[in-house]
Amino acid sequence: SQTIHQWPATLVQPVGSPLSLECTVEGTSNPNLYWYRQAAGRGLQLLFYSVGIGQISSEVPQNLSASRPQDRQFILSSKKLLLSDSGFYLCAWATSTGELFFGEGSRLTVL
Amino acid sequence: AQTVTQSQPEMSVQEAETVTLSCTYDTSESDYYLFWYKQPPSRQMILVIRQEAYKQQNATENRFSVNFQKAAKSFSLKISDSQLGDAAMYFCAYWDGGSQGNLIFGKGTKLSVKP
Repeated sequence: SQTIHQWPATLVQPVGSPLSLECTVEGTSNPNLYWYRQAAGRGLQLLFYSVGIGQISSEVPQNLSASRPQDRQFILSSKKLLLSDSGFYLCAWATSTGELFFGEGSRLTVL
Repeated sequence: AQTVTQSQPEMSVQEAETVTLSCTYDTSESDYYLFWYKQPPSRQMILVIRQEAYKQQNATENRFSVNFQKAAKSFSLKISDSQLGDAAMYFCAYWDGGSQGNLIFGKGTKLSVKP
């Protein structure tokens, strides 16, 4: 069966520091992968999606970037974090019928 | 652009009773998919139920069912025989079936279950 993991679960970083959140999927090949951000009272916002290795699409302009170095690995990064980057980040993969399966989430606090 | 609206930020239900969560959406598409996701306090989001727009029959999954009104662009979730474990944030989501599989989520409804 397919599983998805992301880490770290919790991260506290100072403004201006770099960020790397990692997500891996097991049990499926060539999945569509997604990074969402969840802010309180604002639902989920799609940040990036990827349909294959090295293929990244950005949905919103921001201080973050994403990379997909391997088929089942999806990384969310920033060179210099801003206070506004704080939030709960969710990685997900999608089935061909649109169902999303989410990771456990990563809580980022930028101080 | 498609939008999803959940007009109830919070709802409360007594254990063993029934509750309905509302969702409306806006789209010009005729074929699409709708979902309800549940996010318990542990935070991992899970799929509750899905509905294809071309199907007139309302989807059902055990105690969870939907009332899909395509003309009204309404997609409500009914939870019967509510249990304490149903307490969570519930998100309504829309997918237009595009290859990238981007879902549009509502802002969520926080459901509390009283013992």
